[in-house]
Amino acid sequence: SAVISQKPSRDICQRGTSLTIQCQVDSQVTMMFWYRQQPGQSLTLIATANQGSEATYESGFVIDKFPISRPNLTFSTLTVSNMSPEDSSIYLCSVTGRSSYEQYFGPGTRLTVT
Amino acid sequence: KNEVEQSPQNLTAQEGEFITINCSYSVGISALHWLQQHPGGGIVSLFMLSSGKKKHGRLIATINIQEKHSSLHITASHPRDSAVYICAVRPNAGGTSYGKLTFGQGTILTVHP
Repeated sequence: SAVISQKPSRDICQRGTSLTIQCQVDSQVTMMFWYRQQPGQSLTLIATANQGSEATYESGFVIDKFPISRPNLTFSTLTVSNMSPEDSSIYLCSVTGRSSYEQYFGPGTRLTVT
Repeated sequence: KNEVEQSPQNLTAQEGEFITINCSYSVGISALHWLQQHPGGGIVSLFMLSSGKKKHGRLIATINIQEKHSSLHITASHPRDSAVYICAVRPNAGGTSYGKLTFGQGTILTVHP
């Protein structure tokens, strides 16, 4: 199994600022995923981050708004840029296990934008 | 129509009751996950299924690949089972869909003492 930690666990930010969320995994993983969960909604994939290459963004998400870094096989960051109240969500990091069918999730970062 | 549909959306039960949450999907899949999300937001993976049935404690998950349907059962429910239960499917691997999950809307379960 993989144990995932995220920082910060929650934050309240002002409109127009940026927040960087960190995701740390206790083992090396190939693929890392960033999800957003807006209030009352299910999870939506933002992007897939592979080490050594550019992140692949889903429709509706762009690099300028959600830049992602993946410097090694155990760590990734997601930045939410120029925030607006619509960005208030839970942001979750997820990885696949040794078997690509296994999926593990971080504890989430609860972001509130005022 | 969503690719993954869960029912019911909300479920209230008394402690001790047997609970069933259903998940139907419309795409070919390689695996189905049942996830539990507590109010704090963190998600725990309960089961990963590709066929048949799995049991862990009071939780049982079944899947019928031909009918594209899965159920999550909780026996002898307890207030600590109160959470959101999410069904997620992994579409058949290949191309850009590799590793991605498609999520249902979730079922909000409240178990009263």
